[in-house]
Amino acid sequence: EAGVVQSPRYKIIEKKQPVAFWCNPISGHNTLYWYLQNLGQGPELLIRYENEEAVDDSQLPKDRFSAERLKGVDSTLKIQPAELGDSAVYLCASSFGGESKNIQYFGAGTRLSVL
Amino acid sequence: AQSVTQLDSQVPVFEEAPVELRCNYSSSVSVYLFWYVQYPNQGLQLLLKYLSGSTLVKGINGFEAEFNKSQTSFHLRKPSVHISDTAEYFCAVSESYNFNKFYFGSGTKLNVKP
Repeated sequence: EAGVVQSPRYKIIEKKQPVAFWCNPISGHNTLYWYLQNLGQGPELLIRYENEEAVDDSQLPKDRFSAERLKGVDSTLKIQPAELGDSAVYLCASSFGGESKNIQYFGAGTRLSVL
Repeated sequence: AQSVTQLDSQVPVFEEAPVELRCNYSSSVSVYLFWYVQYPNQGLQLLLKYLSGSTLVKGINGFEAEFNKSQTSFHLRKPSVHISDTAEYFCAVSESYNFNKFYFGSGTKLNVKP
C-alpha cells in the first residue's frame, strides 16, 4: 500500500514568488492535514480537512496561504507571495478517521527555501 | 490547548546502552499519546501509541513507553539502542474530545555513538 505522497520534495524560490505543494493521502483516508515544521521544532497544524471540508484552519495565515481539497482526495497548499520566514518543511498527513483509528501517517515533506 | 514538553533537546548515548526520552503534557483531561520518529529528510513514522488499556505500550524497533496519568507523562524507553536508532523523536498528544488535533513536542535528537 502506498503511503502519503508529497511533491516536490524540495523547492527553492525567491521571496514574493508563489509556490504550491501537492499531497496525495493514503487511499481511503478521509482526513488530511497540512503541517508546518520549522527547524528544530515539532510539526504545527496549518489546516485539517474532513473529506473536502476544511474543519480546522485557525492556524493558517490566510493573507498568503490557501489550500484546497476539491474532490476529497488529494490536496494543494499554496503560498502567495512567499516570505523569507516561510522557509520550512511542509508536511502532509492523513488518517482514516474515527476515534479508535486516529493515527496520522505522514509524507516525507516538502522542504521550502525562500531566498 | 495542550502543551507538550520534551525537556531534552539532545540525548547522546553509547550503542547498547539504555535510553529514556522524556515527554510531559499539560492537561489532565482524557488524552491519546503517541511517539513518532523522524529520520533525516523523511517524514514522521509512528513508533507507538496509547489509546486506552494497559499503561505500558510496546512499539516497533524494541521501543516501549509508559503512560503515567498522575504525572502527565509518557516517557519513551529502549533497553539497548543501536546506531540505527539515531534520529529525532517527537511526542504527540491529542484530547479525546478532539482526537484529530495533535499537539507535538519540540523533539529530542537521539545520537547513538559506537
